[in-house]
Amino acid sequence: ELKVEQNPLFLSMQEGKNYTIYCNYSTTSDRLYWYRQDPGKSLESLFVLLSNGAVKQEGRLMASLDTKARLSTLHITAAVHDLSATYFCAVDKLLGTSYGKLTFGQGTILTVHP
Amino acid sequence: DVKVTQSSRYLVKRTGEKVFLECVQDMDHENMFWYRQDPGLGLRLIYFSYDVKMKEKGDIPEGYSVSREKKERFSLILESASTNQTSMYLCASSLDFYQPQHFGDGTRLSIL
Repeated sequence: ELKVEQNPLFLSMQEGKNYTIYCNYSTTSDRLYWYRQDPGKSLESLFVLLSNGAVKQEGRLMASLDTKARLSTLHITAAVHDLSATYFCAVDKLLGTSYGKLTFGQGTILTVHP
Repeated sequence: DVKVTQSSRYLVKRTGEKVFLECVQDMDHENMFWYRQDPGLGLRLIYFSYDVKMKEKGDIPEGYSVSREKKERFSLILESASTNQTSMYLCASSLDFYQPQHFGDGTRLSIL
């Protein structure tokens, strides 16, 4: 059974600081997604990582995937208040000949304060 | 932009009732999904569908069923609602299994 664990689950950051959210998963997969959820809102897709060594960047967020270590990271650079949200990683596992069954981490609640 | 619409934002039902949650997407997506979201557990997949009239069990299908009679609509059915089914329910769709899933705003369901 695929297990996905995020670390930390709660993160309180000061504006301007850097930090990393970690996503570990238990079985082989080379497809991983990062989503953001604002309070009371839907999930928004941030990054799609499709191979070992993949790195994607958007603004102050950068995501990477190491399939050998079964680890993805979401790095936050010079945090601003607008980044406050819950961040989820989700791992996609091949079923038969197709993907599509996502297993989500517990979510990391990020709060950025002055 | 993809629009995934869930019929209700909030719903209150009684134990033993049959409950229908509706989801509609407007982008001709092949795949549709139902999740429930609980604090500390993330999202857990209940059922998904990759074609009209096709369905597959997710990780927690017990107590639920689904219906997909038309491509754009995917319904989640609680056959006999119980209090442990109180949760946030999220519907999602994707063009194919290589694209990210797009989520609706969710239905917060309370079973009393």
